[in-house]
Amino acid sequence: NAGVMQNPRHLVRRRGQEARLRCSPMKGHSHVYWYRQLPEEGLKFMVYLQKENIIDESGMPKERFSAEFPKEGPSILRIQQVVRGDSAAYFCASSPQQVKLYTEAFFGQGTRLTVV
Amino acid sequence: SQQGEEDPQALSIQEGENATMNCSYKTSINNLQWYRQNSGRGLVHLILIRSNEREKHSGRLRVTLDTSKKSSSLLITASRAADTASYFCATAEETSGSRLTFGEGTQLTVNP
Repeated sequence: NAGVMQNPRHLVRRRGQEARLRCSPMKGHSHVYWYRQLPEEGLKFMVYLQKENIIDESGMPKERFSAEFPKEGPSILRIQQVVRGDSAAYFCASSPQQVKLYTEAFFGQGTRLTVV
Repeated sequence: SQQGEEDPQALSIQEGENATMNCSYKTSINNLQWYRQNSGRGLVHLILIRSNEREKHSGRLRVTLDTSKKSSSLLITASRAADTASYFCATAEETSGSRLTFGEGTQLTVNP
């Protein structure tokens, strides 16, 4: 059973371009979370999705950021018109049920986005 | 502000010593989890403690939870150089519980 797969591992974008980050959850997991981490800091929650639904997007910036988790295929975090402040590591995690049901989250290795 | 705040921010010890990290949080929780991160890689789950539990053990790890003080501690006994990593606590809130909220982490360095 492969773990949570994120790609690409490293992504370089020029200011104003779009960044697409992909996350394939573990098999059997229908809950996906995206987090952002700046150097030497903790993980900041961005969005929580279940298949085809956004459940909690309270951590997502109102503009330029969007996320989806289609019925088929990976979850996508999309950042439009990137700016230097978007440079960070973006982590995806998945779980088989909600974490409040005493479930751990399984993390991918992250995508390191650098905006130049 | 962060739901979970770890203390200390950095800890340096010698191999064989015990390491204690603390975490404080603000809201009512359903459960609290500890994770480990090696050098910017993905996080690895260590242990989960439910809000109605006070202590839990897993190998060399011991976690305590005091809901009256809204705090938790992670003890690593007989530390090894391979334990060098960042350690984060994460809480699942009682009301929403739809996500884990992470603290800023403790950077542990175990010197050989």
